[in-house]
Amino acid sequence: DAMVIQNPRYQVTQFGKPVTLSCSQTLNHNVMYWYQQKSSQAPKLLFHYYDKDFNNEADTPDNFQSRRPNTSFCFLDIRSPGLGDAAMYLCATSIDRVISYEQYFGPGTRLTVT
Amino acid sequence: AQSVTQLGSHVSVSEGALVLLRCNYSSSVPPYLFWYVQYPNQGLQLLLKYTTGATLVKGINGFEAEFKKSETSFHLTKPSAHMSDAAEYFCAVTRAGGTSYGKLTFGQGTILTVHP
Repeated sequence: DAMVIQNPRYQVTQFGKPVTLSCSQTLNHNVMYWYQQKSSQAPKLLFHYYDKDFNNEADTPDNFQSRRPNTSFCFLDIRSPGLGDAAMYLCATSIDRVISYEQYFGPGTRLTVT
Repeated sequence: AQSVTQLGSHVSVSEGALVLLRCNYSSSVPPYLFWYVQYPNQGLQLLLKYTTGATLVKGINGFEAEFKKSETSFHLTKPSAHMSDAAEYFCAVTRAGGTSYGKLTFGQGTILTVHP
């Protein structure tokens, strides 16, 4: 089945130690999104790729970076995680920003910072 | 700017009772509206969406929602709750065009509890 896959599902990192979260998709969608969801809150968009075009949200901290080496994969890099970065990180995809606004979500990676 | 308000952060119903989760939106242009469900430690799953056309939208698992432009509402209903419906539900809006590029704005979520 076509799907959005996130690895790992659970990640523990130390304060200040760089960490990378992975997302892959078999849907061949043009757009890939990264959301941060803190406990009991709505998902908050960090950035998205439209094909190779990177679009950062204005309030996303510089500590968060992303890479999309090809259509299928997208990575979220947190350069120096702080305790406040502990959250669920959700990857989502959509066919196109214009044709369809429906987003397909992966299962998420829960990040713990110790 | 667009925004979403979900009335009630927690809703509790008995199994077999009507489920009603409220969502009001604010958008300066015609919106696209969505309801997503999230089970613990899982991603979001699309229940249903409204883009254009029929204002009563049917989704998965017996859920439906009605777009009421005059009330700027998109409430989610299910005639008979099941234990498996217990989850968190998010209403979301995006603009039909413009510079938001499909960006979803989520409500704060409503946790649905279903009692036996």
